[in-house]
Amino acid sequence: EAGVVQSPRYKIIEKKQPVAFWCNPISGHNTLYWYRQNLGQGPELLIRYENEEAVDDSQLPKDRFSAERLKGVDSTLKIQPAELGDSAVYLCASSFSGRALEQFFGPGTRLTVL
Amino acid sequence: SQQGEEDPQALSIQEGENATMNCSYKTSINNLQWYRQNSGRGLVHLILIRSNEREKHSGRLRVTLDTSKKSSSLLITASRAADTASYFCATPPSGNTGKLIFGQGTTLQVKP
Repeated sequence: EAGVVQSPRYKIIEKKQPVAFWCNPISGHNTLYWYRQNLGQGPELLIRYENEEAVDDSQLPKDRFSAERLKGVDSTLKIQPAELGDSAVYLCASSFSGRALEQFFGPGTRLTVL
Repeated sequence: SQQGEEDPQALSIQEGENATMNCSYKTSINNLQWYRQNSGRGLVHLILIRSNEREKHSGRLRVTLDTSKKSSSLLITASRAADTASYFCATPPSGNTGKLIFGQGTTLQVKP
């Protein structure tokens, strides 16, 4: 069984540039999460989807961050414009709907903003 | 905000020794989970312990939960170099089992 797929694995951009991350969850997982992990810290939830619906986006900085999950499968997280403080690892995870007890994580995208 | 706090922040042991990591949390929980993260990789779920359980085993892992002290411990017995990783505890906020709040993690180094 394929795991959670994320791309790109690494991204280096200059501040004020846009950037997008893509995630393909495990087949059959209805719940999808985007986390941000700063160096030396645990992941922090940005947004959670149940199918196509964003059910928890309270920690998403909506002035510059946006996300979508069209058709309830793949998801894209976008930052526009990026700031220096956005440098972090962006992790995508998925789980069975109603069984959000165990989450399966992708390898993450390491973003560096110069 | 982070609910869990791991202790110690870093731990270095010799192969074959046991490693113990602790996690404290702030609010009531339904369950507590432990995850492992190898360098440059995503997190891997290790074990889940429910609030009505006091101890749980999985292979070389032993997890305890003390809800009265709002704390949990993860014991790795007979450690191996491959156990070198960061370990995080995670808890869902009360009333929101779909969300996990992670601690800052314990970085474990197992020397061969």
